[in-house]
This record gives sequence, structure tokens and C-alpha cells, in this order.
Amino acid sequence: NAGVTQTPKFQVLKTGQSMTLQCAQDMNHNSMYWYRQDPGMGLRLIYYSASEGTTDKGEVPNGYNVSRLNKREFSLRLESAAPSQTSVYFCASIDLGQGEEKLFFGSGTQLSVL
Amino acid sequence: AQSVTQLGSHVSVSEGALVLLRCNYSSSVPPYLFWYVQYPNQGLQLLLKYTSAATLVKGINGFEAEFKKSETSFHLTKPSAHMSDAAEYFCAVSERGFQKLVFGTGTRLLVSP
Repeated sequence: NAGVTQTPKFQVLKTGQSMTLQCAQDMNHNSMYWYRQDPGMGLRLIYYSASEGTTDKGEVPNGYNVSRLNKREFSLRLESAAPSQTSVYFCASIDLGQGEEKLFFGSGTQLSVL
Repeated sequence: AQSVTQLGSHVSVSEGALVLLRCNYSSSVPPYLFWYVQYPNQGLQLLLKYTSAATLVKGINGFEAEFKKSETSFHLTKPSAHMSDAAEYFCAVSERGFQKLVFGTGTRLLVSP
């Protein structure tokens, strides 16, 4: 049981390049989230998907797009990377229908934009 | 909008000493409150949560937290620190329905021998 899997673990981009961060969960969870973590700022929500087919903006959505490809997968795309997007990105999932209210996190993607 | 404030970006204790990590919240409706722990190069793991049942919540690894509505606080404590407790701790709040979880800025716990 892998839980939440993120790829890649590390990535270096040049300013203006694009890339997609992949996230998949095998727990049949309905809701999925993308957070970014920066020193001294905690985790900030970028986008979330409450259920398959829906996505909503979080606190810091500018410069990002997301796709809820199916119930398992939720990808985050940077169309034109900027140095301000250098961060550690975490994907998370939860199944509120179970009354658990517990987020399961992936191990993170460390992204550097030069 | 809900928010949390964690006092102290770093807390240092000696092994065996009391651990106290502070968290104050702001929410316009009764909140759900959480403490998460992050070990180096890992994602976050849930330590404990308050969801309107008992105000004193016990979690994993000997941690507990008390919900105090009058003080809008949800401080995390552990009677005796262990070296393995060294990590970063995040307090988080969500409104009922849990559509979005808002995290604090984190407190790094340092444990010395």
C-alpha cells in the first residue's frame, strides 16, 4: 500500500520552462490537495480537488494549473516557471466520507527554478 | 477566514524535559484543529486532532493537546522529550466540513542530550 506517491522527487528548471508534477493515491480518497512549503511560511494551499471532476483555488494559485485526471491522480502544472516558485511541493489526499479528517501526504517534490 | 499562529519558530529542550509548543487559532465558526509533525525530507504526519469531542486530545508518541475556547488555544505538550521528537511541528485549522486546511508557520523542536 503506497499511499500518496509524488514524482519527481527533485527537479531543476530554468526560468520560463514548464513542467508537471504528478501525484497519485491508492486509498480511493475523494479529495486531493497541492501545497507548497517555504521556510518560515508553513504550508500554503495552491489548489484542491474536493472530488473527481472539480478543482478550486487555494491561497496561492497564481502561476499554477491543475488537472484531476481521475479519482487517483491530481497533477500540478507550471506553465512558465519563475524563481519565486522555488519551493517544496506536497500532494495530499483525504476521504471525508470516512469521517477520518486525516490528510495523507506524499514525500514531496523539491523544485528549484534558476 | 480561519488562521493559526504558532509562537516561536524554534523551541529547544533537554532530553527528559517538558515539551510545550504553542498554537492560537482564529475561526468564525467552531474549528477542527490539528497538529502535524514533519521529520527531515518527509511529508507531514498527523499527531492528533480535535473535532469537538473531548477537549483534551491524546495523540501518538505521547503527545497531547488541550482545546481552550476561552483562550483560542490548542497547545501541544509532551511530559518528557526524547531525542527522536526533534522535528518540525505544524498546527492547522479547518472549518467544519473540512474543505481546506490552513497551516501555521511551524515550530522546529530541538532536543539536546
